Amino acid sequence: KNQVEQSPQSLIILEGKNCTLQCNYTVSPFSNLRWYKQDTGRGPVSLTIMTFSENTKSNGRYTATLDADTKQSSLHITASQLSDSASYICVVSGAGSYQLTFGKGTKLSVIP
Amino acid sequence: GAGVSQSPSNKVTEKGKDVELRCDPISGHTALYWYRQRLGQGLEFLIYFQGNSAPDKSGLPSDRFSAERTGESVSTLTIQRTQQEDSAVYLCASGLAGAHEQFFGPGTRLTVL
Repeated sequence: KNQVEQSPQSLIILEGKNCTLQCNYTVSPFSNLRWYKQDTGRGPVSLTIMTFSENTKSNGRYTATLDADTKQSSLHITASQLSDSASYICVVSGAGSYQLTFGKGTKLSVIP
Repeated sequence: GAGVSQSPSNKVTEKGKDVELRCDPISGHTALYWYRQRLGQGLEFLIYFQGNSAPDKSGLPSDRFSAERTGESVSTLTIQRTQQEDSAVYLCASGLAGAHEQFFGPGTRLTVL
């Protein structure tokens, strides 16, 4: 069964600090992995998309890594801001399929 | 519009009533998806449209759920005889056929009393 597991479930950090969120998946065959940011009451917004051949992708202060061998990904947030408070969702797409497997997300709270 | 829109943003209904949720995708996007997000859970796939056809309805949880799409544009998700377990946020996403990217709407929060 295709699964995406994220850790931690929730995280509280001080403004200006860095943090790293983790994602493990069992989706096979693999096509791509995405990280989404979901603000409360809003739909998810894409941060990064990585295919099998990519192991790092950045979007501003967000840097995602992918190890397709170990089926792990991480999202690193640098110099956090209050507006980074949201749920961060790891989503994996299987090869030849439009269906996505979603993690439950990590709820990040950035406090002053 | 610039993005995917959904209406209503919130819907409170009584158990047993029917509800209709609407999604307006980004113009030109042929692919449209419906998802359900229960509190504290990941998104669950419900149905996928390519144009006006739904090649995959495998995620619809019961025959009380149905969806249609017209004009390769607007889609409606209908839930008949709502139950309390139907309470969730229903998200719609659209994208270009074959593309990796899906653009999500803000969702409709459904509460069944």
